[in-house]
Amino acid sequence: ETGVTQSPTHLIKTRGQQVTLRCSSQSGHNTVSWYQQALGQGPQFIFQYYREEENGRGNFPPRFSGLQFPNYSSELNVNALELDDSALYLCASSPRDTVYNEQFFGPGTRLTVL
Amino acid sequence: GENVEQHPSTLSVQEGDSAVIKCTYSDSASNYFPWYKQELGKRPQLIIDIRSNVGEKKDQRIAVTLNKTAKHFSLHITETQPEDSAVYFCAASRSGTYKYIFGTGTRLKVLA
Repeated sequence: ETGVTQSPTHLIKTRGQQVTLRCSSQSGHNTVSWYQQALGQGPQFIFQYYREEENGRGNFPPRFSGLQFPNYSSELNVNALELDDSALYLCASSPRDTVYNEQFFGPGTRLTVL
Repeated sequence: GENVEQHPSTLSVQEGDSAVIKCTYSDSASNYFPWYKQELGKRPQLIIDIRSNVGEKKDQRIAVTLNKTAKHFSLHITETQPEDSAVYFCAASRSGTYKYIFGTGTRLKVLA
C-alpha cells in the first residue's frame, strides 16, 4: 500500500500567474481534502473531493478550484496568484466509507509567490 | 463559526518531564479529535486520536483526554525525549465530513 504523494515538492511563481498542484491518494482512499498551511500556522481547510465532486469548502475564494479523477487523484488550481498564497499546500486522503474521519497527509507542496 | 483554540503556543520541558497541550473546540457536533506531530519540513503525522464516545485513550507515552461537556481535549506526553521536539496540532471534526478544523499549533522543545 502506497502513501499519499504530492507533486511538485517546491514551486516558485509570480503574482498573477496560475498554478496546478497534484495529489495521489493512498490506495483504497476515495476522499481527498486540501489544506493551506501558512508559515507558523495550522492547516486551513480549502475543500474536499469525494467521488469526483466537491464535497465541502472552506473560506477560500473561487480562484481556488479543484478536480478529482476516477482514480481518486486530485488537483488544486489557483488562479491570479497573490503574495499571500505563499504557503505549504497539503492534501490528505481518507479511507473508503468510514464513519470516522482518519486522514493521512501527503508531504506537501511549498508554493512561493514573488 | 467553527474554531479550535490551542495552548500553549510554545512549551519547553526537560527531558523526562511531562508535557500537556490543551485544545478547546466550538462546534458541539464535533466527535473526532486527532493529534498530529509535524517536524520541520515534514508532513503532519497522526500520533493519536479520540472519538467522542470515550473520555481517554492511551498509547505508550502518549495519552489524550476529552471533556465533551467543556469541549476540551488535551494531549499528554510522559517521559519526554528529545525526539518528541516538534510542532503538535490538535484538530476537531464531525463524522462523515472529513473536514478538520486545526488549532494553531504548539512548538514543543524537549531539552536534554
